[in-house]
Order: sequence, then structure tokens, then C-alpha cells
Amino acid sequence: KQEVTQIPAALSVPEGENLVLNCSFTDSAIYNLQWFRQDPGKGLTSLLLIQSSQREQTSGRLNASLDKSSGRSTLYIAASQPGDSATYLCATKGAGNTGKLIFGQGTTLQVKP
Amino acid sequence: DAGVIQSPRHEVTEMGQEVTLRCKPISGHDYLFWYRQTMMRGLELLIYFNNNVPIDDSGMPEDRFSAKMPNASFSTLKIQPSEPRDSAVYFCASSLGRAGNTIYFGEGSWLTVV
Repeated sequence: KQEVTQIPAALSVPEGENLVLNCSFTDSAIYNLQWFRQDPGKGLTSLLLIQSSQREQTSGRLNASLDKSSGRSTLYIAASQPGDSATYLCATKGAGNTGKLIFGQGTTLQVKP
Repeated sequence: DAGVIQSPRHEVTEMGQEVTLRCKPISGHDYLFWYRQTMMRGLELLIYFNNNVPIDDSGMPEDRFSAKMPNASFSTLKIQPSEPRDSAVYFCASSLGRAGNTIYFGEGSWLTVV
């Protein structure tokens, strides 16, 4: 059974800092991995999707990497801004292509002005 | 597109009452998912449909929960009877095609059972 872990659970950084959020998973036989952002009281917004054959994806100041062999993914946020404050969740989709996403518990990020 | 639309956004109900949550997926999407989010357990998949057919309901906690998708543009999640431990945020999400595509979430239905 796939387990997805995100450490730390919370992170506070000053504005402008580059930071890395971590995601680990126990079963490397994944179809893809997605990073989501959740603002308080809101649903989840997909940030980046990495297919199992890919090593990384980039969107603006965000870069997500995937290392299936070690069961790890990282989300790199460059030049953080207060508007980046949110909870970030990673989720894996199994290689069976069942459509089922398994989520981590998330990392709550606070970027202080 | 208006995105995934859920209703109600907030509901407070008494224990034992029936609760019905509604979802309209993005037009053209053929996968629909119901998730539940709590502080203790995070996001859990309850059930998902493909082309209106339930594919995996192994996450439905017990018989008090049921979900239907009578057509491609509407789904319901029903809890009968409701209990305080059902208090959570219930998300509906949809996606197009097979597993490689992005999943889109609604804003959630915040349920409190007192």
C-alpha cells in the first residue's frame, strides 16, 4: 500500500528565500506525481504534474523533481513571496493507472514579509 | 469553464440527519472523484467514477455513505444517518482521460455534524 510522507509539516521563511519542500513515497511504481497548493478554506490547485518517465517540471518560480528509485520528489520555490503562503500537497498515482491519487499530509508554508 | 462546482459550501446538521452533497464536474471530464479531508487523516479518496460508473468505492467508510452519478454532469454523496465523526471537508474533483492528466478540485463542502 502506497504511503506518501511530507516533511516538515510546517515551514516559516523570510520573503525572498529559496526553499525546498520534500515528498517521499514507499512504492516507486507510480504513474505520475503531482504537487498541489491549497489556500485556507479553498480547494486544491494543481501546480505541477511529473510523469513517471520525467525527472522534473518547471512553472515560473516552481520546479518539481522526481526520483522514482529513491521514492522522492522535491518542490523548489525560488525567491519566495508572501503570496506563496499556503499548504502544499504532493500526491502519487499508481502504476496501475487506476486514477487513484494518494496524498501526503502537506507542508504548510508561511512566507514572512 | 466554471470549474468543478460543489454545493452546499457549508452545512451544519444534527446527528442522525441525512446529508446530501452535490457536484457538477467540468464539462467533458470523464473521471469524477470524491475526497474527504480532515486534520487527523488528511485527504482520503472515498470513491471515484469513470464514465458515470463507480470504479473503486473501497474508501467509503461504511454503509452510511453512498454516492451516485446519474449522468455525466452530476454526482451526489449522501450520508444517512450522519454522525459527528463525519464532520470534514468533502471535495469533488474531475479529470479528463486516463491517469496522466491534471485533476481539478472543487472548493469543497464543509460539513459539521453536531
